[in-house]
Amino acid sequence: DVKVTQSSRYLVKRTGEKVFLECVQDMDHENMFWYRQDPGLGLRLIYFSYDVKMKEKGDIPEGYSVSREKKERFSLILESASTNQTSMYLCASSHRQGPYSQPQHFGDGTRLSIL
Amino acid sequence: GENVEQHPSTLSVQEGDSAVIKCTYSDSASNYFPWYKQELGKRPQLIIDIRSNVGEKKDQRIAVTLNKTAKHFSLHITETQPEDSAVYFCAATTMEYGNKLVFGAGTILRVKS
Repeated sequence: DVKVTQSSRYLVKRTGEKVFLECVQDMDHENMFWYRQDPGLGLRLIYFSYDVKMKEKGDIPEGYSVSREKKERFSLILESASTNQTSMYLCASSHRQGPYSQPQHFGDGTRLSIL
Repeated sequence: GENVEQHPSTLSVQEGDSAVIKCTYSDSASNYFPWYKQELGKRPQLIIDIRSNVGEKKDQRIAVTLNKTAKHFSLHITETQPEDSAVYFCAATTMEYGNKLVFGAGTILRVKS
């Protein structure tokens, strides 16, 4: 069974802090994703990576960066946290194979509060 | 880029009735359409998906239909049960986007017993 593990379920940080959210998957997936989930807005893609050291901007990358030094680990970084970044953050991973996209598997999420 | 619209935003049904959630997409090149169920406080879980080479797929009480011409796809849940209560998300993607999924805004389904 696919396991996507996010380092924290709940996190409280202060405005201006640098925040790291970690995600690890154990299925040797090539693709990894970071989303934020806000009520009424669904899941919005922040960044994704299709290989080690590769990264692509999603729909809302402003204020965020990512790091993928190892295939199994994808980190989301809030360079200088702001209150509008209070949200639920979800990590996901998937294989890259064949002509069709493959299912994405999600972690449990990190509920981040910026005070 | 791809845009996915999902309706309704909330849906209440009586236990045993059917529920239908509809999504439309904008990019005719989209070829993969998953549906996710998210229970309160839990991760989104894939419940069914369909690829553009088929028009319908069924798994027990849930089914998905795809109309490529009209660019819409629907989730059908029959004989609803209280445990079906959750938020349901549709999504669409193409390989051009590197497996990026574009999600609908979600539908809150309440099954009343």
